[in-house]
Amino acid sequence: AIQMTQSPSSLSASVGDRVTITCRASQGITNDLAWYQQIPGKAPILLIYAASRLQSGVPSRFSGSGSGTDFTLTISSLQPEDFATYYCLQDYNYPRTFGQGTKLEIK
Amino acid sequence: QVQLQESGPGLVKPSETLSLTCTVSGGSISSYYWSWIRQPPGKGLEWIGYIYSDGSTNYNPSLKSRVTISVDTSKNQFSLRLTSVTAADTAVYYCARQVGYGEPNDYWGQGTLVTVSA
Repeated sequence: AIQMTQSPSSLSASVGDRVTITCRASQGITNDLAWYQQIPGKAPILLIYAASRLQSGVPSRFSGSGSGTDFTLTISSLQPEDFATYYCLQDYNYPRTFGQGTKLEIK
Repeated sequence: QVQLQESGPGLVKPSETLSLTCTVSGGSISSYYWSWIRQPPGKGLEWIGYIYSDGSTNYNPSLKSRVTISVDTSKNQFSLRLTSVTAADTAVYYCARQVGYGEPNDYWGQGTLVTVSA
């Protein structure tokens, strides 16, 4: 199975900050990478698919980039509702595998 | 707007079988892939498997010997069975839709906590 490694595992930031989360695949996955946001007690929400395509309804402050093995999720200006845990998912092959998550906390 | 809702027992005894059903509303179950994903308390997400509306399946090798996913298109439902459960199977179980074979899950249910305990 492809291993997905996120960094950092946790991150403290302030409202208005620009933050970047990284996801690395153990082998090349072209651009078959998605990003999810999860608020405690809720189901994950799809933010980005195909590495850089914004899911309908997701604010434009979220963006994704990368291909091959290295990917990033950027939030251009943090809003209070963005403090959550973020997961990457490879949908290149099966079994699907997620990163371990990055918890974004208020500084 | 597609909605998914998990249902089933919240408590299962060790060595017994966990059974959950996901009811899909607001759209047809046909021509989509339907997944189960779980999340142990305080931990990350684990993909369990999917079923396509024609009944074809794909399971995580780590669970394959214990997992069965089935679909009932007449009821717009699909189901998960996990046999011989242990405490390690305690998790929130999510059902989710996948538009295509190589697509991520876009719509998710709210999740249901299943605890394995005597």
